[in-house]
Parts: sequence; structure tokens; C-alpha cells
Amino acid sequence: RKEVEQDPGPFNVPEGATVAFNCTYSNSASQSFFWYRQDCRKEPKLLMSVYSSGNEDGRFTAQLNRASQYISLLIRDSKLSDSATYLCVVNKGGSYIPTFGRGTSLIVHP
Amino acid sequence: NAGVTQTPKFQVLKTGQSMTLQCAQDMNHNSMYWYRQDPGMGLRLIYYSASEGTTDKGEVPNGYNVSRLNKREFSLRLESAAPSQTSVYFCASSEAGGGRSKTQYFGPGTRLLVL
Repeated sequence: RKEVEQDPGPFNVPEGATVAFNCTYSNSASQSFFWYRQDCRKEPKLLMSVYSSGNEDGRFTAQLNRASQYISLLIRDSKLSDSATYLCVVNKGGSYIPTFGRGTSLIVHP
Repeated sequence: NAGVTQTPKFQVLKTGQSMTLQCAQDMNHNSMYWYRQDPGMGLRLIYYSASEGTTDKGEVPNGYNVSRLNKREFSLRLESAAPSQTSVYFCASSEAGGGRSKTQYFGPGTRLLVL
């Protein structure tokens, strides 16, 4: 089993839709969790950290389920500009090295 | 602040040639990383430097060497380029300390083609 797994998609949704991605991780010692966004031919950029109690930033909500070892990202009221690849990042305790998922592609169409 | 800068942006090499990719950050971060990204493979760690003066191998170090020149700069060298090293290379930095990784900030990438 890969350390961090994501459905590659693409998720193809209309503007205004709500879409959710999950990411599963295999190491129960994982302590830090992030979602990054990567636009085509650009570098990854932090979208949001994921906290144990869940957190929200505008239209984006991130949640962590330690028991089932997954994190999720919910995007409400999708915009055309949300089209990108979303990378799940997990870091296990005591490590300097984050582990990246391969990303989930989102395409928002008019 | 420029953040993380990388040079060059693009490079074409012939098999067997050598080159050095440069990376610098102005955020006073302790840790720096080199990744390569290939279609369908995601980001793979080549080397990292947890702090100035230390370097360690990542997932795919073969064919590469690194130098942490000072706190700001971390270079990646290909001694004898091979077509399998055609990729997009990203440098990243973070405040990581105390054995924990924090948010990473990425440079714009170097697109390398080896013929």
C-alpha cells in the first residue's frame, strides 16, 4: 500500500458545484497534514493545513479522520479558477520529510 | 521577499553532460529539499538538507549530488545526465526543526530535457 493515496481523477464538475476529495495515509504515526494546490506547469503552493478538529477557509473545508486514516478536502461553490491538481501531504512524527500524494485533478467547467 | 528562486528555468542537455541547478531562499529557513516531478509519478524527493551543513538522500538520489552551500543556497548537480533525468525539478524550503516538517515553499521549477 502506498504511504499516501489519492484518486487521480479528473473530477469534472460544473461551476457552483460542491466537490470532495479524500486522501488515505498508511502510517498511523503521521502528525502533520496539508493540502497543496498545483496549477498546470507551476509549483505546488500551500492551500491549507489540516487540523485535528477540522478547519475551514472560505469555500474550503479540510477534515482529518485519524481512526480511518484519511483527510478530506471539500470545495463549495466551485469556481473556474479552482481547476488545478490538489496534493495531499502527510508528515510522520519525528521526520523532516513530508510525503506527497500523486494528486487529484479537478476541472471546473462553465 | 523573493521566496525560493531557481535557475535556470529551462535547460537542454545531451547525454553525458553535467550541470548544476541552483536554488536560493530568503526566508531564513533551516530545511531545503530537491524534488523531481514526472507525469503520473507525483513529487519524488531526491535529496534534502535538514539544516545547514547536513544533507541526506531521499527516495531517488541515484545520479545526483547536492551541496548545501550556506543557509540560503542548496544546489543539485547532475554529473553525467541521462535521458531518464528528463523531468521538472523543484526546490523547496521550510522552517522544519525539532524533527518536524512544516509548510514547504517551492521555487518555480527547472524544466530539464536530456537528449
